[in-house]
Amino acid sequence: DIQMTQSPSSLSASVGDGVTITCRASQNINNYLNWYQQKPGKAPKLLIFAASSLQSGVPSRFSGGGSGTDFTLTISSLQPEDFANYYCQESYTTPWTFGQGTKVEIK
Amino acid sequence: EVQLMQSGAEVKKPGESLRISCKGSGYSFTSYWISWVRQMPGKGLEWMGTIDPSDSYTNYSPSFQGHVTISADKSISTAYLQWSSLKASDTAMYYCARHDSSGWFDPWGQGTLVAVSS
Repeated sequence: DIQMTQSPSSLSASVGDGVTITCRASQNINNYLNWYQQKPGKAPKLLIFAASSLQSGVPSRFSGGGSGTDFTLTISSLQPEDFANYYCQESYTTPWTFGQGTKVEIK
Repeated sequence: EVQLMQSGAEVKKPGESLRISCKGSGYSFTSYWISWVRQMPGKGLEWMGTIDPSDSYTNYSPSFQGHVTISADKSISTAYLQWSSLKASDTAMYYCARHDSSGWFDPWGQGTLVAVSS
C-alpha cells in the first residue's frame, strides 16, 4: 500500500493568515493526489483533484501543487469557515489511501 | 443536483448482521463507481472498497476483504455495505462517495453511524 504522510498534524492560525499543508507519498504517484476538507459532524468535501485542479465551487484562495511524491495544499487567506480538518488522498493505485489529516484551528 | 443519500444510524449488538444503503440521484447511477469509506471515532478516513454498479464488479481494500460485502442494485440506484457478524470494532461512521476511474470522491453521502455494543 502507498503510505501518505501529512504535516503538520495540526496548526493554529489567525483569520487572514496564509497556511500550507504538506502531503508526502511513499512512492511516485504522478499527480494522482486529491484534497478534502471535513468539518465536525459533516462529510468530507472535495477541494482539489489531480494535485492542482480546483473543484467547481471551491474558493480560489485554495490551491494545490506538487507532483511525484511531494504535494501541498495552500490557503492564501484563512477565513472563519476554513477551520476544519484536511485530508490528502492518493488515487494512483488501489487500495487508495488517505493521509492522517491536518487540523486547522483558530489561534 | 447530484446527491448520495445514506440510510439512518444503526445500533446493533455484536454478532448481528447489518446492511446500510446509499442511494444516488441526479446522475446516471451506472456511469460512476461508488466507494465506501470508514471513519472510526476521532480518527481519519479509510477506503474500504468500491463497486461498479453497471456490472457489480467490486474491488476491496485488503484490510476489509472478507469482513464486509459491497453490492448494488442498479434498478433502484442504490449501493450497499453489509456485515454478516458485527464486532464492537465496527463502530464507526461510514460514508459512500461517487467516483470515476480517476479516483477522486465527489460527492459524498451524509454518512451512516453504526454503533455496535452489547
